[in-house]
Amino acid sequence: QVQLVESGGGLVKPGGSLRLSCAASGFPFSGYYMSWIRQAPGMGLEWVSFISSVGTSMYYADSVKGRFTISRDNAKNSLYLQMNSLRAEDTAVYYCARDRGDVPGDYFDLWGQGTLVTVSS
Amino acid sequence: QSALTQPPSASGSPGQSVTISCAGTSSDVGGYVYVSWYQQHPGKAPKLMIYEVSKRPPGVPDRFSGSKSGNTASLTVSGLQAEDEADYYCTSYAGSNNLGIFGGGTKLTVL
Repeated sequence: QVQLVESGGGLVKPGGSLRLSCAASGFPFSGYYMSWIRQAPGMGLEWVSFISSVGTSMYYADSVKGRFTISRDNAKNSLYLQMNSLRAEDTAVYYCARDRGDVPGDYFDLWGQGTLVTVSS
Repeated sequence: QSALTQPPSASGSPGQSVTISCAGTSSDVGGYVYVSWYQQHPGKAPKLMIYEVSKRPPGVPDRFSGSKSGNTASLTVSGLQAEDEADYYCTSYAGSNNLGIFGGGTKLTVL
């Protein structure tokens, strides 16, 4: 079954850290770009980070640059997002998404169910 | 980068057509063919409806269509059905070394 399953979300205090994981199955993970996209409660979508298929190119939103790190392990069919120095404004559902097409963010054709990150004291 | 501009809400009766706009600039929507649209029902993950301005993925009804004129892209839903009631988001590529940008979303209500 072609799917993405996120895990690792939870409640964390401001300034804390969290690592999100995304397990891919049913498709050749190593051949695809991947992205993390988040959605704050009641708000719209925000592209957070992108990684190329072999992990050599990464991009970040200005709002998370220097605090978040995207990575992948193609042998384990897994995508990760290390989040440090978390702030209240990072509270959101985080989705991993398969990134298709000619350029990063051309279109996202497969999404996980999302994992909720809550940053609060 | 600023978010793409979408109307907060749109509505139509069953069977009617509705068009949702997505306004950007020449640096994003107007400069590339990489505009896509997503449907999101409450509590669910977004679903790809249109990519590269006007292409439909397999399984998406042909009632959904996309277009672009200048710096504004549009999603048209024809023959509205109750299940089309959802939030719709556009996104556009914004050049190399940039992450793309999303619109603020439009809540479509089927009256």
